[in-house]
Amino acid sequence: EPEVTQTPSHQVTQMGQEVILRCVPISNHLYFYWYRQILGQKVEFLVSFYNNEISEKSEIFDDQFSVERPDGSNFTLKIRSTKLEDSAMYFCASSLATGLYSYEQYFGPGTRLTVT
Amino acid sequence: QQPVQSPQAVILREGEDAVINCSSSKALYSVHWYRQKHGEAPVFLMILLKGGEQKGHDKISASFNEKKQQSSLYLTASQLSYSGTYFCGPQLYGGSQGNLIFGKGTKLSVKP
Repeated sequence: EPEVTQTPSHQVTQMGQEVILRCVPISNHLYFYWYRQILGQKVEFLVSFYNNEISEKSEIFDDQFSVERPDGSNFTLKIRSTKLEDSAMYFCASSLATGLYSYEQYFGPGTRLTVT
Repeated sequence: QQPVQSPQAVILREGEDAVINCSSSKALYSVHWYRQKHGEAPVFLMILLKGGEQKGHDKISASFNEKKQQSSLYLTASQLSYSGTYFCGPQLYGGSQGNLIFGKGTKLSVKP
């Protein structure tokens, strides 16, 4: 069964450093998402991406964040200058489509980011 | 815009039933339900799109009321494997704006 994969599973970085989290969505999916979950809290939407551009972003997704689909398979989240409060589990998700039929989103296993 | 889930937590014995509610102050385009086990990613359970819709899979079912402002998840004859945190993720709009805004979750613990 196809699945979303994410690398690395755990990333430790120092405050102020740049990190890139990588995701490989399910191959025929068209919509890609990043969510984050601070330990013990709810899953929060960051950004959605379709047709090589951001379709929506939340207030959390400020100028320190960016997303990219550098090739036909990878989808990345970059945090330019990490802060302590960026420590969280970051989930990538993908869906076949959205809109009228509201397809389910498939989540990857997550990358645990620890900022020290 | 964040949905309100209730209860926040519930403890069951194996075989007991539970209901988890998800409410919104606005009419929703759809409701997604996910379950997340500790340390794992959320796993999709089901989507409801139409007012009055009910769906079920095995012993887990859900409903979406006529006004599309409330959804309930029903777990019958609970099993140990049902333990986890259940999130509802309503969509306010369809199209490219149809992103999920998850509630705080309901932690379900099923004991033997």
